[in-house]
Amino acid sequence: AQKVTQAQTEISVVEKEDVTLDCVYETRDTTYYLFWYKQPPSGELVFLIRRNSFDEQNEISGRYSWNFQKSTSSFNFTITASQVVDSAVYFCALSEARGSQGNLIFGKGTKLSVKP
Amino acid sequence: KAGVTQTPRYLIKTRGQQVTLSCSPISGHRSVSWYQQTPGQGLQFLFEYFSETQRNKGNFPGRFSGRQFSNSRSEMNVSTLELGDSALYLCASSPGQGGDEQYFGPGTRLTVT
Repeated sequence: AQKVTQAQTEISVVEKEDVTLDCVYETRDTTYYLFWYKQPPSGELVFLIRRNSFDEQNEISGRYSWNFQKSTSSFNFTITASQVVDSAVYFCALSEARGSQGNLIFGKGTKLSVKP
Repeated sequence: KAGVTQTPRYLIKTRGQQVTLSCSPISGHRSVSWYQQTPGQGLQFLFEYFSETQRNKGNFPGRFSGRQFSNSRSEMNVSTLELGDSALYLCASSPGQGGDEQYFGPGTRLTVT
């Protein structure tokens, strides 16, 4: 069965610290997609990144970077030099290619608090 | 492009009533998915519509239903409301291919008293 685990419920850091949010997934499919979303206090989920199972290249976008490792079924997210505006709940999600269109399996989320 | 819009943003209903929530997807997107978010269960998939057909369904009772119109707008209905239905209901749209990223609306906060 498919499952996403975000073991860190809450993380608190001081501004400018680096922080890594962990995500471990389970799936029987060989083709699948992984996502990260950000949910600020306003409530709207903001799409950050999508990765397919055949692309293990790490990605960097500004202060954000993602490390996808199939060998450990992990898709971790690092924020470099964190800022107060990064405070939000971050969700990792999984979508299998077959028979699950439109269905994202979400982890429980990690609440990140960045203090000035 | 305008984003996903949901109406109403807030709703208070009484147990036993029914409610209809509306979602307008991003222009050109044919798939609309609905999710329920609660503190206890997190984000759970309700159902997905593509070209006016329900293509996928989560594990929710039949009191939860939906539909999609020819312009891709979607509505979700919950009948015989229970206290446990209090949640943030999120709608997401995507082009409709497997693995597409989904873009979410601001949600409808439903409170059942």
